[in-house]
Amino acid sequence: AQTVTQSQPEMSVQEAETVTLSCTYDTSESDYYLFWYKQPPSRQMILVIRQEAYKQQNATENRFSVNFQKAAKSFSLKISDSQLGDAAMYFCAYRSGGFNKFYFGSGTKLNVKP
Amino acid sequence: KAGVTQTPRYLIKTRGQQVTLSCSPISGHRSVSWYQQTPGQGLQFLFEYFSETQRNKGNFPGRFSGRQFSNSRSEMNVSTLELGDSALYLCASSWQGSGELFFGEGSRLTVL
Repeated sequence: AQTVTQSQPEMSVQEAETVTLSCTYDTSESDYYLFWYKQPPSRQMILVIRQEAYKQQNATENRFSVNFQKAAKSFSLKISDSQLGDAAMYFCAYRSGGFNKFYFGSGTKLNVKP
Repeated sequence: KAGVTQTPRYLIKTRGQQVTLSCSPISGHRSVSWYQQTPGQGLQFLFEYFSETQRNKGNFPGRFSGRQFSNSRSEMNVSTLELGDSALYLCASSWQGSGELFFGEGSRLTVL
């Protein structure tokens, strides 16, 4: 089975600074997707960014970007110009190309200090 | 477009009872998945339904079951509740092909 590992249970960043959340995964598949989801306290989980494994270019969504290292099976999330509203749990997730089943990491709690 | 709606949002049950949770997906989405979220185990996949058929299933006991109706609404049922079933149950819908999950706010179940 695929596994997703987030080695940082909690991180803190100063407002307006940049922070990088780490994620590694283990798979023998060649067709898959990777995602970062954000779960604010007591609120629903929302998609931050997604990356198709076949794309070499790293995905970017405004202040959020990823560093996708396919050979190393690494998928880190960089948040630039951190804002108070970025404080949340962040989950890295893996989805096989052929199955709509997601594997989630254990999450990283991000604190943003004013 | 309305998002994924889950009901009830909160519920308290006692051991041995059963519970049914409901999920209405985003209009046009035919896939509905269920996840259990606990502090200890994180997010774990329960099952996925697509066009009224269970397409994928996670490693949960048979006490956990689900179904999907012709309008894509889904229900999950947990019978003979145990204390360990206390969790946030998340429903997510997707339009097959996009690969992205859209989550509801969840149903928080407490088993006493």
